[in-house]
Amino acid sequence: DQQVKQNSPSLSVQEGRISILNCDYTNSMFDYFLWYKKYPAEGPTFLISISSIKDKNEDGRFTVFLNKSAKHLSLHIVPSQPGDSAVYFCAARERGSNYKLTFGKGTLLTVNP
Amino acid sequence: SQTIHQWPATLVQPVGSPLSLECTVEGTSNPNLYWYRQAAGRGLQLLFYSVGIGQISSEVPQNLSASRPQDRQFILSSKKLLLSDSGFYLCAWTDRGRLYNSPLHFGNGTRLTVT
Repeated sequence: DQQVKQNSPSLSVQEGRISILNCDYTNSMFDYFLWYKKYPAEGPTFLISISSIKDKNEDGRFTVFLNKSAKHLSLHIVPSQPGDSAVYFCAARERGSNYKLTFGKGTLLTVNP
Repeated sequence: SQTIHQWPATLVQPVGSPLSLECTVEGTSNPNLYWYRQAAGRGLQLLFYSVGIGQISSEVPQNLSASRPQDRQFILSSKKLLLSDSGFYLCAWTDRGRLYNSPLHFGNGTRLTVT
């Protein structure tokens, strides 16, 4: 049972445009959501997070939106840069789970110059 | 600042051989420690986590085991590797003191190929 789903395995955008990465979840006990970025042969790097008490969190070019009623979150990157090309993982933590994260399968973002 | 070291970066082992992957964290005390695995085409799967020395919780029944002999050291082991153990293994830590809404920080991973 996949509790965190990233339905788009890949996404291609032009440099300077907006990248929108989507993530859906099924577990209503999730209370904290994170996005990670991963380059080949490296570990994931934390990007941005959002608590379930909020619906938006912004950090520079990165904004995460949370729609609890739809059990959906998205990551917006504006403007997109070639260095943003990587695999992006959505992750979620269940309330009281001692910080165990459940990850999606990832979306490969390619930003074309 | 805190850093996490994981080694080796790549490993090729025959079926039936033992395994030992090591992870250490510097610059923090009493971290929560985690082992994740990424198999081909799949997300990151939590294998083990530890909230203190000698305290190990297993998430998935498997051919692997974990140990935490020191506060900032986490070891992933197997007595006999299977082909299905191939994958990308990641160690991670989080600050227990700031546990709530504190992200996991990952090492650079070990690419294990069992032949």
